[in-house]
Order: sequence, then C-alpha cells, then structure tokens
Amino acid sequence: EAGVTQSPTHLIKTRGQQATLRCSPISGHTSVYWYQQALGLGLQFLLWYDEGEERNRGNFPPRFSGRQFPNYSSELNVNALELEDSALYLCASIPSHLAGPNTGELFFGEGSRLTVL
Amino acid sequence: SQQGEEDPQALSIQEGENATMNCSYKTSINNLQWYRQNSGRGLVHLILIRSNEREKHSGRLRVTLDTSKKSSSLLITASRAADTASYFCATAYTSGSRLTFGEGTQLTVNP
Repeated sequence: EAGVTQSPTHLIKTRGQQATLRCSPISGHTSVYWYQQALGLGLQFLLWYDEGEERNRGNFPPRFSGRQFPNYSSELNVNALELEDSALYLCASIPSHLAGPNTGELFFGEGSRLTVL
Repeated sequence: SQQGEEDPQALSIQEGENATMNCSYKTSINNLQWYRQNSGRGLVHLILIRSNEREKHSGRLRVTLDTSKKSSSLLITASRAADTASYFCATAYTSGSRLTFGEGTQLTVNP
C-alpha cells in the first residue's frame, strides 16, 4: 500500500513569489494535516482538511492557504514568499474518524523542502 | 502556546546504553504520542499512550505517562547506532483538534 506522497521534494523560490505544494494521502484516509518545520525546530501546525473542508488553521498569516480535492489530495499555497518561509513542509493523513480532538496516529509524507532566496 | 517541552534537547550515548527522553505538556490531553524523524525526513509513529494509561511497551520502547505531573518519558533500551534520530512527543489536547508537537530531542548513538 502506497504511503503519503508529497511533491515536489525540493523547491527553490525567490522572495515575493508563490509556492504550491501537493500531498496525496494514503488510500482511504480522508483527513490531511499540514505542518511547517523550520530547520532544527519542532513542527508548527498549519492547516487541517477533512472530507474536503478546512476544519482548523494554525497561527499563520492568510498568505498560507490550501484546499482539499474530491479525491482527498491536498494542496498548500504560500503567496508573497518571505525568507522565513524556508522550511520543510510536512503533510500527514489519517482516517476521518481518528482525526480531531482525539487524533490518532498520523502518517507522514517525506516532506517538501522549500527554500526562499 | 500549548506547545510542550522536551528534554534534553540533545543526548549522546554509546551503543548498548539506554536512552531516556522526557516530555512535558500544558493542559489535559486525550493521548500522547512519540514520533521519530531521521535527518530532516518524514516522521514515523512509534507509540501512542492514552490519558488513562500509565505505561506502554513496544519492542525496545517503553513509554510512561504521569497526568498529575503532565509529563511523559520515552525509554529506548539497548540502543543501536540505527536509533540515531530526532524524537518528538505530540499531544492531543482535549481542547484542540490536532497534534501539538514538542521541539524534539536529538539522539546520537555512537557505535
């Protein structure tokens, strides 16, 4: 069974540009979480999508946005890139009934490393 | 912020020794989980302990949870060089809707 896949693996952009990151969850998982991990730090929660709807977002500015498609894959968009957006962006999936306040085991992809020059 | 804290930030031991990492959190939880991350790659789930459990084992891993102290520990016994990685605790707060991760402990096991 295929795991969570993310693309691209690496992405280099310049300040002010826009970046789009993609995530395909494990088959049967309808809930997707996005996290940002700056170099050497912990994971900061970005967004949670469940069955096509945005359920929660973390303390990030509105230029971080995303969506979830009918096939439950997800896209993270970062507009007006800033240097401090350089990070590893991790996507994780989970069955819908295991998401939310009693979140169960998350299945992570390998991440997309975004570098902003 | 509800983000928990882990200590130590870094731990270096010899192969065969035990490694203990600690995690503290802020408010009541539904469960607490430990994850491992190899060198900037994706995280891998190790173990989940529920708020009504006190101890859990999985192979060479032992996790304890003390809800009165709002803390957890991860013990890796008979460590191997392949255990070298960053270890993160993550909490499912009763008031939240996602996992909140700590800053992690960087474990180095020297052969």
